[in-house]
Amino acid sequence: DQQVKQNSPSLSVQEGRISILNCDYTNSMFDYFLWYKKYPAEGPTFLISISSIKDKNEDGRFTVFLNKSAKHLSLHIVPSQPGDSAVYFCAASARDDKIIFGKGTRLHILP
Amino acid sequence: NAGVMQNPRHLVRRRGQEARLRCSPMKGHSHVYWYRQLPEEGLKFMVYLQKENIIDESGMPKERFSAEFPKEGPSILRIQQVVRGDSAAYFCASSPQVPNTEAFFGQGTRLTVV
Repeated sequence: DQQVKQNSPSLSVQEGRISILNCDYTNSMFDYFLWYKKYPAEGPTFLISISSIKDKNEDGRFTVFLNKSAKHLSLHIVPSQPGDSAVYFCAASARDDKIIFGKGTRLHILP
Repeated sequence: NAGVMQNPRHLVRRRGQEARLRCSPMKGHSHVYWYRQLPEEGLKFMVYLQKENIIDESGMPKERFSAEFPKEGPSILRIQQVVRGDSAAYFCASSPQVPNTEAFFGQGTRLTVV
């Protein structure tokens, strides 16, 4: 039973345009959400997070939006750069509980 | 300030042998997570530990797998009598004892069972 779902296995975006990665969750107890980026043969790297008391968090080119009523969050990257090509994992946790990850979306930035 | 250290990076075991994967958390972090990534799959939760205590092991296979995080030393993920299906990348992450905070990952151990 997947509690965190990333329904797009891959996404291709032109360099300079906006990349939008989506994530849905089913557990209403989740109150903290995270995005990680992963290159091949490396460990995931933390990108940005958002608490359930907020609906938006921004850090440079990265913005995460949270829609609690829809149990949906998204990561926006603008402008997209070649180095953004990687696998992006959405993750969620309930207070003091384990972090659950989605299956990831592979982002390709096209020149 | 060293990050999460996992060793070895690569481990080859024959079927039936034991595999021991080590994880040293970041300084000041008291919580450790272990995840497994199979080819073309996401990060599957295995176990969540704090010093000398298993908080949640709901993702651990019932047999052959065990984990510990002793008072001193690294966290150890132990797989006994390995089978080909255990071949995967195993990632460790650590976090401080603060609710709702990010976990930081190590580089992973790639286990290959031959």
